[in-house]
Amino acid sequence: DAKTTQPPSMDCAEGRAANLPCNHSTISGNEYVYWYRQIHSQGPQYIIHGLKNNETNEMASLIITEDRKSSTLILPHATLRDTAVYYCIVRLQYNTDKLIFGTGTRLQVFP
Amino acid sequence: GAVVSQHPSWVICKSGTSVKIECRSLDFQATTMFWYRQFPKQSLMLMATSNEGSKATYEQGVEKDKFLINHASLTLSTLTVTSAHPEDSSFYICSARPGLANTDTQYFGPGTRLTVL
Repeated sequence: DAKTTQPPSMDCAEGRAANLPCNHSTISGNEYVYWYRQIHSQGPQYIIHGLKNNETNEMASLIITEDRKSSTLILPHATLRDTAVYYCIVRLQYNTDKLIFGTGTRLQVFP
Repeated sequence: GAVVSQHPSWVICKSGTSVKIECRSLDFQATTMFWYRQFPKQSLMLMATSNEGSKATYEQGVEKDKFLINHASLTLSTLTVTSAHPEDSSFYICSARPGLANTDTQYFGPGTRLTVL
């Protein structure tokens, strides 16, 4: 599975959009981009995933560049409860199901 | 939907004893479950993949005789930490994948914090 690079930490004001970048320059054509987040002392929570097209759900939007070498997770209106570590993971969807977690981005939402 | 529970949520035990942690998928059947370990301020590390009715597959460096995994049904997997030592103190998290052909998103449990004295 391709490796990802994320900034270690980011800040965001409450009510503003949080844009979390992820670099996956070695991604292959059949690897998906997954995003999870982990609030302190809890299990990770699935957010969204995509292959080529941009995706949106009730939690967030995922923007994938045309060359698929990077992506951005967008939380449109961040709240204090969005403070968490966000993990970007790339993997083959129908492979061994392994999720290999990197170090993630620690997002701090402030009032 | 897609809720995974773990029991207990936290446990304190003496060195040398064994501890069992349960992972249950509450509203779906999970042919595959996963066990992770997370030390303070570190990321999750996959320990093993558990398939219903067969032996678990352990990641490199994880002792299978120390971390016993049983996946006896489609809704329950257990992790037993045998002869626990203080260095086994960690946050143990399981995840489960619904046994459907058109989705393989993993859903995680809330975690179990193990402290070995």
